[in-house]
Amino acid sequence: DTGVSQDPRHKITKRGQNVTFRCDPISEHNRLYWYRQTLGQGPEFLTYFQNEAQLEKSRLLSDRFSAERPKGSFSTLEIQRTEQGDSAMYLCASSLDPGISNYGYTFGSGTRLTVV
Amino acid sequence: AQTVTQSQPEMSVQEAETVTLSCTYDTSESNYYLFWYKQPPSRQMILVIRQEAYKQQNATENRFSVNFQKAAKSFSLKISDSQLGDTAMYFCAFRVNFGNEKLTFGTGTRLTIIP
Repeated sequence: DTGVSQDPRHKITKRGQNVTFRCDPISEHNRLYWYRQTLGQGPEFLTYFQNEAQLEKSRLLSDRFSAERPKGSFSTLEIQRTEQGDSAMYLCASSLDPGISNYGYTFGSGTRLTVV
Repeated sequence: AQTVTQSQPEMSVQEAETVTLSCTYDTSESNYYLFWYKQPPSRQMILVIRQEAYKQQNATENRFSVNFQKAAKSFSLKISDSQLGDTAMYFCAFRVNFGNEKLTFGTGTRLTIIP
């Protein structure tokens, strides 16, 4: 297990198209997080899963965004009808339950989305 | 709600020198964690150092140390004997010690180590 993997690394799409990103967390990590990072800003929380359950969604996550984590393993983040304002780096991170370990998150390398 | 402020957008320092990055935060919680993350150009974010709010002793990891002032809500990062590989964006982050443990990040400091 080499860490958190995200695919694709880069995505260029036309406005109005749908895109889907994938995240494969560290296998024993039961928590998975999605963040969005725009240029010159720190990452902002979007949503998180504990196993397969999506437990919180940020107000940043509009109705055009949906995330899933079937079977509590990999996760997908879909953006429908993309807008130019969706252009950002989408980061995935995973962690153990803090009751087990407090070593914090492991981040993936991110998916950079450009909407043209 | 928690906020994290990093007031230094960019810093540069000569190789082998010491540099301190500033971070302040605002919270009404008493039980929380603070972190410094490093994000090298086009590479993933990695954890540099973490501090539990209930610990008075400042955390240290090799050349990296923090100055945690709980009453002042200040959490600065000191990098000693800076190396070219320290060139990166550095983010200060906060999370409470309950609930979903989501991180709240500052806007970052771009640090450049000059050879």
